[in-house]
Amino acid sequence: GAVVSQHPSRVICKSGTSVKIECRSLDFQATTMFWYRQFPKQSLMLMATSNEGSKATYEQGVEKDKFLINHASLTLSTLTVTSAHPEDSSFYICSALKQGPYGYTFGSGTRLTVV
Amino acid sequence: AQSVAQPEDQVNVAEGNPLTVKCTYSVSGNPYLFWYVQYPNRGLQFLLKYITGDNLVKGSYGFEAEFNKSQTSFHLKKPSALVSDSALYFCAVRDIGSGGYNKLIFGAGTRLAVHP
Repeated sequence: GAVVSQHPSRVICKSGTSVKIECRSLDFQATTMFWYRQFPKQSLMLMATSNEGSKATYEQGVEKDKFLINHASLTLSTLTVTSAHPEDSSFYICSALKQGPYGYTFGSGTRLTVV
Repeated sequence: AQSVAQPEDQVNVAEGNPLTVKCTYSVSGNPYLFWYVQYPNRGLQFLLKYITGDNLVKGSYGFEAEFNKSQTSFHLKKPSALVSDSALYFCAVRDIGSGGYNKLIFGAGTRLAVHP
């Protein structure tokens, strides 16, 4: 199988604080993970590609200093939303790429609400 | 760059009737196409993919999709819809990112509503 665990599923934080979201591949090693953001009733927008042991590749328009990505091991990538503001409220989804024929597996998502 | 389009925001179908969710693609080279389903406040679940081979791809939960090169389409189909199929469906295409990594580009999504 290919299971990706994302934690937390929901988080509410105060404006100005930082929030860390974890994405773990439970039964496989993922050298590459992806972070998406989804606004209500909209599609998934790729934020960045996370590669184990190297810097993340951010999509155009995504603030690197605001959305810190760390992929320190083959099974864990983290997304930290720094100095969160209400406009950062969204649904964040991670995906891990499993070796083989294009096996993308998604986490269950994290709903972030900044108040 | 690769892209997919889902022309319908919502599809309504009666339970037991066949359903089709449309997707067209624009790619350079051979397309690698995917369908995913999303239930409220959940991540995406893989339904099926087309890489090569037979144009009719069978996937999870009784879904299938037909790859049509001449029409650049990859429509999702099911012979008999269930109320539990009601969800948000995404078509996606593989693209090569600036860092050389494979990534998925998603369509806007189509909400499927199956009525009893």
